[in-house]
Amino acid sequence: DQQVKQNSPSLSVQEGRISILNCDYTNSMFDYFLWYKKYPAEGPTFLISISSIKDKNEDGRFTVFLNKSAKHLSLHIVPSQPGDSAVYFCAAMWGSNYKLTFGKGTLLTVNP
Amino acid sequence: DTAVSQTPKYLVTQMGNDKSIKCEQNLGHDTMYWYKQDSKKFLKIMFSYNNKELIINETVPNRFSPKSPDKAHLNLHINSLELGDSAVYFCASSQGTVNTEAFFGQGTRLTVV
Repeated sequence: DQQVKQNSPSLSVQEGRISILNCDYTNSMFDYFLWYKKYPAEGPTFLISISSIKDKNEDGRFTVFLNKSAKHLSLHIVPSQPGDSAVYFCAAMWGSNYKLTFGKGTLLTVNP
Repeated sequence: DTAVSQTPKYLVTQMGNDKSIKCEQNLGHDTMYWYKQDSKKFLKIMFSYNNKELIINETVPNRFSPKSPDKAHLNLHINSLELGDSAVYFCASSQGTVNTEAFFGQGTRLTVV
């Protein structure tokens, strides 16, 4: 039972263009959402998060949008850089339930 | 100065053996976790400890036993290893548990042969 879904296993974009990574969730209890970036042979590193009381959060080139009614969030990277090439995981949690529920990840490739 | 470090990075062992993976965090966090990434790339929580107390045990076989000697350490001991235990195991930590990001270690790739 996948509560967090990333339906695109991979995405390829040109350097300088926008990358849009999508994530859907089914559990309406989730109230905090995070994006992690993972390079091969490394652990996931935190990128950006958003609380369910907001619909947008920005941090430099990274913006996360949350649409609660659609149970959908997206990560925008603009402009995309080759160093952004990695697997991006969407994750969600609620309250103090002590755990993150992850999506399966999307492999982003930014071509020079 | 690694924030969350786990050892070893790679572990190859035979079925039936017992092995341990160690994790240490120097962030002063009070919550630590073990996650497993299986062959299908799903990252799933196994255990969570808050202030050395077990908070979550996600239906993990009792061959897996976490041990937290203090808030900065959470080790994972696995008895009678099986082929299906082959995976990448990630340790993580966070400050508190509400609306907070977790910091992950580099992972331990366990291969059971």
